[in-house]
Amino acid sequence: DGGITQSPKYLFRKEGQNVTLSCEQNLNHDAMYWYRQDPGQGLRLIYYSQIVNDFQKGDIAEGYSVSREKKESFPLTVTSAQKNPTAFYLCASSMDHRSYNEQFFGPGTRLTVL
Amino acid sequence: AQSVSQHNHHVILSEAASLELGCNYSYGGTVNLFWYVQYPGQHLQLLLKYFSGDPLVKGIKGFEAEFIKSKFSFNLRKPSVQWSDTAEYFCAVNRDLFGNQFYFGTGTSLTVIP
Repeated sequence: DGGITQSPKYLFRKEGQNVTLSCEQNLNHDAMYWYRQDPGQGLRLIYYSQIVNDFQKGDIAEGYSVSREKKESFPLTVTSAQKNPTAFYLCASSMDHRSYNEQFFGPGTRLTVL
Repeated sequence: AQSVSQHNHHVILSEAASLELGCNYSYGGTVNLFWYVQYPGQHLQLLLKYFSGDPLVKGIKGFEAEFIKSKFSFNLRKPSVQWSDTAEYFCAVNRDLFGNQFYFGTGTSLTVIP
């Protein structure tokens, strides 16, 4: 059953703590993405990776970090430097970085910082 | 600022009514256009996409969209909605020269009343 998995579904953290969100895909896709979804603001790109060991900042990368050590995995760390971390985080992947490829999305992780 | 605009934030229709959701973008150059749908409790999934050829594209579940380059628009249509079409709809754009970096609209919530 191919797809994208994100864990956990809900995550609670205390202010000032770093937290890592998991994203795994078994679609053999080269490119992976992290988005943040806030009410009334749609999806905004945090980071993307076109290939293993490479990643680029999106529009709202401040306070976040990523790694891409394996093709199937693209974890996102929300650091204590992120001013408003409470949000719904979506991971996506596409076959490669070419612009006509659709992106496939995971179920999301809802992060609440207390 | 360059953006993707969805003017209808919340639409309520009765079953069998016709649907048109607006999407406008402000990017120049060659663009690829997508409509995604998020049904309650489900992943974002692709409804349809345009990247070349016939500007009228047909997608799943009877949806279609028309790319009008002169108006920078990509409106989504369905002649007769069903209760099962209740969902959040997102328009997305990427720009040919910038790889597969998507820009999303803020979304339109559609409620179909039986």
